Amino acid sequence: GQNIDQPTEMTATEGAIVQINCTYQTSGFNGLFWYQQHAGEAPTFLSYNVLDGLEEKGRFSSFLSRSKGYSYLLLKELQMKDSASYLCAVLDSNYQLIWGAGTKLIIKP
Amino acid sequence: GAVVSQHPSRVICKSGTSVKIECRSLDFQATTMFWYRQFPKQSLMLMATSNEGSKATYEQGVEKDKFLINHASLTLSTLTVTSAHPEDSSFYICSAREDSDYEQYFGPGTRLTVT
Repeated sequence: GQNIDQPTEMTATEGAIVQINCTYQTSGFNGLFWYQQHAGEAPTFLSYNVLDGLEEKGRFSSFLSRSKGYSYLLLKELQMKDSASYLCAVLDSNYQLIWGAGTKLIIKP
Repeated sequence: GAVVSQHPSRVICKSGTSVKIECRSLDFQATTMFWYRQFPKQSLMLMATSNEGSKATYEQGVEKDKFLINHASLTLSTLTVTSAHPEDSSFYICSAREDSDYEQYFGPGTRLTVT
């Protein structure tokens, strides 16, 4: 079966750094997405990784290791507005997005 | 670019009535559109995938006669919840994808409340 695992909830302090991990087992792999979703709103795109390595985009970075079936999203200089759910999703061999359950990130002052 | 709109953003209807939700890609042609449902504190659940001009492909457990999907043009897909019941109350989100792109662009979602 297809499976994506990420922690249910994480807590971090404003100004700090947090890493949200995602492991996956899917039928085929055509890339991994990270989305941010604030409560009551639709997801917004953060990053897309299809090759191994680290992609940096401002305060957010995303890492992928295809051999390990592993990715992480790194958020630096945390701000209160970063409190949200972070969704990991893998594009499988049929180009269908397989979604993780999301990680709720709580930022404390 | 890549803007997707949904209408209405919120709707309240009585049990037994039908509700139509529209999803539009405003600045690109969406060959594929996806309909998701999300219950409070849960992740997105894919309901169906629709390709322009063909029948939608429904995920297991989703009743195709209850959730009617029409993707009549490259910029519009509609989801009709027929004979709605309180348990259909949820956040419905559509997304759209261009033929040449793997990324899904999400609409803002529709909050459906069935009383």
